[in-house]
Amino acid sequence: TQLLEQSPQFLSIQEGENLTVYCNSSSVFSSLQWYRQEPGEGPVLLVTVVTGGEVKKLKRLTFQFGDARKDSSLHITAAQPGDTGLYLCAGDGLNTGNQFYFGTGTSLTVIP
Amino acid sequence: DSGVTQTPKHLITATGQRVTLRCSPRSGDLSVYWYQQSLDQGLQFLIQYYNGEERAKGNILERFSAQQFPDLHSELNLSSLELGDSALYFCASSVGGAPSSYEQYFGPGTRLTVT
Repeated sequence: TQLLEQSPQFLSIQEGENLTVYCNSSSVFSSLQWYRQEPGEGPVLLVTVVTGGEVKKLKRLTFQFGDARKDSSLHITAAQPGDTGLYLCAGDGLNTGNQFYFGTGTSLTVIP
Repeated sequence: DSGVTQTPKHLITATGQRVTLRCSPRSGDLSVYWYQQSLDQGLQFLIQYYNGEERAKGNILERFSAQQFPDLHSELNLSSLELGDSALYFCASSVGGAPSSYEQYFGPGTRLTVT
């Protein structure tokens, strides 16, 4: 059982469409991070959300942290082929002994 | 380029063997993290060192060990290798010790194939 479950696991959409990726847990997190990983490379941090209910925007990407700090979502508006990649949420739960967890991942393909 | 270097880039070895993966963190970063990424398990946290001391331990097998040296570079030792150890191993570094408070910068990874 993974501490951070992401859905959907795979997503293939046309350029210009909108999409939402979800990251859910039964544990409370002090903060959650979102990373994007491209094939053959390491993940790169996109954003950190800290406060329950917080919404952060990064150009066409909108990140939200759930009020109870157990879940998060990533919404992409007007997806572009450059958005293609593996999206990972990550964090250390409040009672996980300093362990850092990555989510199960969402593989996004944006078709031109 | 994240500033984190990992060597070797690729490693092919046989079952039962022992290998050492090396990581040099970004200049100024005190934390080093090791991760294993495989298709069925995703990205799994193995262990973290902060300024030479072990700070957190994840799903690291007893056959695996790591250390961080005084110059802050780190090595991950994998012994009695099994086919299931084949994976991409990433090293990451950050300036501080709390991974959720500081950005982790990932290296390019070492692809280990056990035959």
